[in-house]
Amino acid sequence: DAGVIQSPRHEVTEMGQEVTLRCKPISGHNSLFWYRQTMMRGLELLIYFNNNVPIDDSGMPEDRFSAKMPNASFSTLKIQPSEPRDSAVYFCASIAAGGRSYEQFFGPGTRLTVL
Amino acid sequence: AQSVTQPDIHITVSEGASLELRCNYSYGATPYLFWYVQSPGQGLQLLLKYFSGDTLVQGIKGFEAEFKRSQSSFNLRKPSVHWSDAAEYFCAVGNTGFQKLVFGTGTRLLVSP
Repeated sequence: DAGVIQSPRHEVTEMGQEVTLRCKPISGHNSLFWYRQTMMRGLELLIYFNNNVPIDDSGMPEDRFSAKMPNASFSTLKIQPSEPRDSAVYFCASIAAGGRSYEQFFGPGTRLTVL
Repeated sequence: AQSVTQPDIHITVSEGASLELRCNYSYGATPYLFWYVQSPGQGLQLLLKYFSGDTLVQGIKGFEAEFKRSQSSFNLRKPSVHWSDAAEYFCAVGNTGFQKLVFGTGTRLLVSP
């Protein structure tokens, strides 16, 4: 299995631009999580989906952030407009339905820099 | 609310020496506890987990952790550290549905020759 796939791996953009981060979970996994990692705040859960439905988006910092999961194999996290304080590493993770390991498998992350 | 405290930001250990990374949690019910490792530029990888039963759990790469309910702790240990263990280590507590993980701030392990 290829694991969780995230693209792009690095993104540099200017303040005010729209940014879209992409995630492909492991096939057969039914829950997907978006995290943000910064030096100041550590690893924060932004939102998670179960069976493509957003379950908890209380971690989404503000309305500039939105996430979608149109099908079981794809999710996006969009920031519009982007700001320098959004610079961080964004991770996607997925977990198998009904599995007994309860392990979240993390992607390699997208390093976002907003100038 | 769930919370996790990792009191050590950095730890330096000599190669071959033993290691203990501290983790304290706050959770109202039976906790589900995890240790993850993050190598530079990589995502997080699960080292081990505790759900119930034996309070000493074994993980990958020779790591183990002990759950102590009385101390609200879940410390990670390794008897002999290798240079390749240099990484950042995160403790996390999960809710009963295993859907949400709350992570600690991490401990960066440096291994000296």
